[in-house]
Amino acid sequence: DAGVIQSPRHEVTEMGQEVTLRCKPISGHNSLFWYRQTMMRGLELLIYFNNNVPIDDSGMPEDRFSAKMPNASFSTLKIQPSEPRDSAVYFCASSFGTGGADTIYFGEGSWLTVV
Amino acid sequence: DAKTTQPPSMDCAEGRAANLPCNHSTISGNEYVYWYRQIHSQGPQYIIHGLKNNETNEMASLIITEDRKSSTLILPHATLRDTAVYYCIVSPHNAGNMLTFGGGTRLMVKP
Repeated sequence: DAGVIQSPRHEVTEMGQEVTLRCKPISGHNSLFWYRQTMMRGLELLIYFNNNVPIDDSGMPEDRFSAKMPNASFSTLKIQPSEPRDSAVYFCASSFGTGGADTIYFGEGSWLTVV
Repeated sequence: DAKTTQPPSMDCAEGRAANLPCNHSTISGNEYVYWYRQIHSQGPQYIIHGLKNNETNEMASLIITEDRKSSTLILPHATLRDTAVYYCIVSPHNAGNMLTFGGGTRLMVKP
């Protein structure tokens, strides 16, 4: 199994530019999560999808952030316009939700630097 | 309102057992205890989870106290590759399992 695949692995962009991060969850998983990690705030859950539907987006910091999951095998996290404070590692994770104690698998992360 | 409390850092000698404590005194009856770890520059990795019984797998053992208010993750023979941040998380028994990560314990395994 290829695991959760994220792209790009590293991105450096200028303030004001649009950033799109991509995620391919593990095949067969029906839950998908986007997390952000910074030194100051640690790992924060941004948004959670179940069966391609956003269930909880209370962690999305502001309107500049948006996430979509058009199908079971693809999700995007978009930042427009980007700001230096958005610099962080963004992790995508997926799980197969059985209603029990589900194991969540994380990707390797997308390292974003906004200058 | 942190649901778990962990020491910020610990050291362990290579080859010795690493015992990582976690306090979760407000845990609810339907909440599981999960442990994840994050090796530098990688995504978090699942280690083990349990509800009330002790659990063991190929990576570690999880000891949960009878009152479920605390637990200990045991790495029986720590190696240098076990150097990582270890997160103890409590999460309810439902689909999706939105995990909320705290600060974790930074374990340093030393030669």
